Amino acid sequence: GQSLEQPSEVTAVEGAIVQINCTYQTSGFYGLSWYQQHDGGAPTFLSYNALDGLEETGRFSSFLSRSDSYGYLLLQELQMKDSASYFCAVTPLRGSARQLTFGSGTQLTVLP
Amino acid sequence: EAGVAQSPRYKIIEKRQSVAFWCNPISGHATLYWYQQILGQGPKLLIQFQNNGVVDDSQLPKDRFSAERLKGVDSTLKIQPAKLEDSAVYLCASSLRWTSATTYNEQFFGPGTRLTVL
Repeated sequence: GQSLEQPSEVTAVEGAIVQINCTYQTSGFYGLSWYQQHDGGAPTFLSYNALDGLEETGRFSSFLSRSDSYGYLLLQELQMKDSASYFCAVTPLRGSARQLTFGSGTQLTVLP
Repeated sequence: EAGVAQSPRYKIIEKRQSVAFWCNPISGHATLYWYQQILGQGPKLLIQFQNNGVVDDSQLPKDRFSAERLKGVDSTLKIQPAKLEDSAVYLCASSLRWTSATTYNEQFFGPGTRLTVL
């Protein structure tokens, strides 16, 4: 099975940098992805790591270390609109199925 | 490009009643997913379709939940009869079919249906 742990809440100020961690236990997976969800909205894709290391997409970066069973999402130059829930998710090795198993999410609050 | 459409957006029913949700995925997306998201939790996969066939329904409570994807496009998810613990947001997502282990096809989510069971 798979389990993913994230902090439930993180608070930071506008313009700052924040890191959201994700530790996982899994029997095997293709990669780790991150989704953002605003209150009442749909989850939207942010980033994906198939291999160890850092992936950068604009203000967002994501990191994966398979040896440490750990990943993180880094948000730079925080803006008020970044206030949302952030979910890490693994794509388990499961035959031809490509699914997402989500963590419980981290509520990010950006203060002015 | 049109996104994933879902209806209704909100539904309030009493326990033991039936309810159905509809999803229209992005055109050309062979894979369709239904998730249940309880307040404060991450989405939990209920069922996955590849075209009109079920890939995985291991987490679908089959005594009360059913889903179909006729013609490999639209899909409906039904709950009959509903219980109080079914109160949640039901999300539909779609993606292109994966062609390799390293290519990531992101899932595109619809706005969801918020179900309240009284």
